[in-house]
Amino acid sequence: DAGVIQSPRHEVTEMGQEVTLRCKPISGHDYLFWYRQTMMRGLELLIYFNNNVPIDDSGMPEDRFSAKMPNASFSTLKIQPSEPRDSAVYFCASSRGTGGPNQPQHFGDGTRLSIL
Amino acid sequence: GNSVTQMEGPVTLSEEAFLTINCTYTATGYPSLFWYVQYPGEGLQLLLKATKADDKGSNKGFEATYRKETTSFHLEKGSVQVSDSAVYFCALIPISSGSARQLTFGSGTQLTVLP
Repeated sequence: DAGVIQSPRHEVTEMGQEVTLRCKPISGHDYLFWYRQTMMRGLELLIYFNNNVPIDDSGMPEDRFSAKMPNASFSTLKIQPSEPRDSAVYFCASSRGTGGPNQPQHFGDGTRLSIL
Repeated sequence: GNSVTQMEGPVTLSEEAFLTINCTYTATGYPSLFWYVQYPGEGLQLLLKATKADDKGSNKGFEATYRKETTSFHLEKGSVQVSDSAVYFCALIPISSGSARQLTFGSGTQLTVLP
C-alpha cells in the first residue's frame, strides 16, 4: 500500500518567496495533519483536517501560513512570504476516522525546507 | 494541559545492551499512549501503543507498560541492535468527549547503538 506522499522532499528558496508543500494522504483516511519539526521546538502540530474541513489551526504560527484540503486525496501548506525562521522539516500525516482517536497516524517522509 | 516528558538524550549503547527510555506524562482523564520511531531522513512510524492502564504495548522486541499510578510509559528492549539507532518519541492523545486527535509529543530521544 502507498503511504503518505509528500512533495517536494527538499526545497531551498530565498526569503520572501512563496513556498507550497504538498501532501497526498493514504486512501480512506479521514484525518490529515501538518507538523513542523525543528531542533529548538521539536514536533509541533500546525493544523489538522477531518473530511477535508480544518478542525484546529491553533498551531499555525502566523498569517503567512495557510493550509487547504480541496479534496480527500490532496492537501497543501503554503508560506507566503517565507522567512529564514520557517526553515524546518514539515511532515504530513493521516489517520483513519473509524475506530476512535487511538488510530495511529501515518507520517510521510517530510519536506526539508531551507529559506535563505 | 497535556504534556509528555522524555529522558534527555543522546543515548549511546553497545549492541545487545538493555535499553530503557523513560517517559512520563501529564493529562486529564485517561490518555492513550504511543511510542513513535524516526529513522534518519524518514517520517515517524508507530512503534507501539497502549490505550488503558496496565496495558503492555509491544513490537519488534520493544515493550512499554501503561502505568497510571506513576503516569509513565517507559520504553524497554532487552537487546538492542545497530539497526535500532533512531530517534524515539513518546506521545499521547487525551481521550475525552469529542473526536480530538491531537498527538502531544515528547522532545524525542536519540539512540545510537554501536557494533
